[in-house]
Amino acid sequence: DTAVSQTPKYLVTQMGNDKSIKCEQNLGHDTMYWYKQDSKKFLKIMFSYNNKELIINETVPNRFSPKSPDKAHLNLHINSLELGDSAVYFCASSLHDRGGSYEQYFGPGTRLTVT
Amino acid sequence: LAKTTQPISMDSYEGQEVNITCSHNNIATNDYITWYQQFPSQGPRFIIQGYKTKVTNEVASLFIPADRKSSTLSLPRVSLSDTAVYYCLVGAKYNFNKFYFGSGTKLNVKP
Repeated sequence: DTAVSQTPKYLVTQMGNDKSIKCEQNLGHDTMYWYKQDSKKFLKIMFSYNNKELIINETVPNRFSPKSPDKAHLNLHINSLELGDSAVYFCASSLHDRGGSYEQYFGPGTRLTVT
Repeated sequence: LAKTTQPISMDSYEGQEVNITCSHNNIATNDYITWYQQFPSQGPRFIIQGYKTKVTNEVASLFIPADRKSSTLSLPRVSLSDTAVYYCLVGAKYNFNKFYFGSGTKLNVKP
């Protein structure tokens, strides 16, 4: 009964490739997020969707494109991967009308390594 | 968003009570204070949230003084498994804020 799941857990790829990370939540939440945690462990928000609408779009290269096919899914596609994209990517979700947007539930993370 | 300041690291021993303080001098009237815990190789986990005075749940207590310019996360009788990074966030509860976790406080519990 996983709440927020991500696939794959590990992703090793070469520079220039295109890859996708998938996220699904079964909590009935209406808001989903993508975060990037770099080697220094800083956790930075990248995108957020509320009811499939993009509401937060941080200064992220346009090689990163989120897609939310429905409220339970938020995928992240990355084009032309670069060495600097190596990090752990976390998906999260929250219910905006209860506990507000600060009570977020995080997935286990996807460790992306670009060689 | 109100900026938060936390100690970079803290050491404790099993069985002790640990208090982690977060400073947020520019907290706004509508802002809530939220704490998250992150274990290595895992995503952050919500611990507790509060607006003023004291909030307690099965995991921790959150103490917020009247001026709300700081807050203290209290972990009773810590164990080795409480070794983690603890993040303090401040922001309006029902707005879509950009959530900055900062560097957090690395708590190291020793036997």
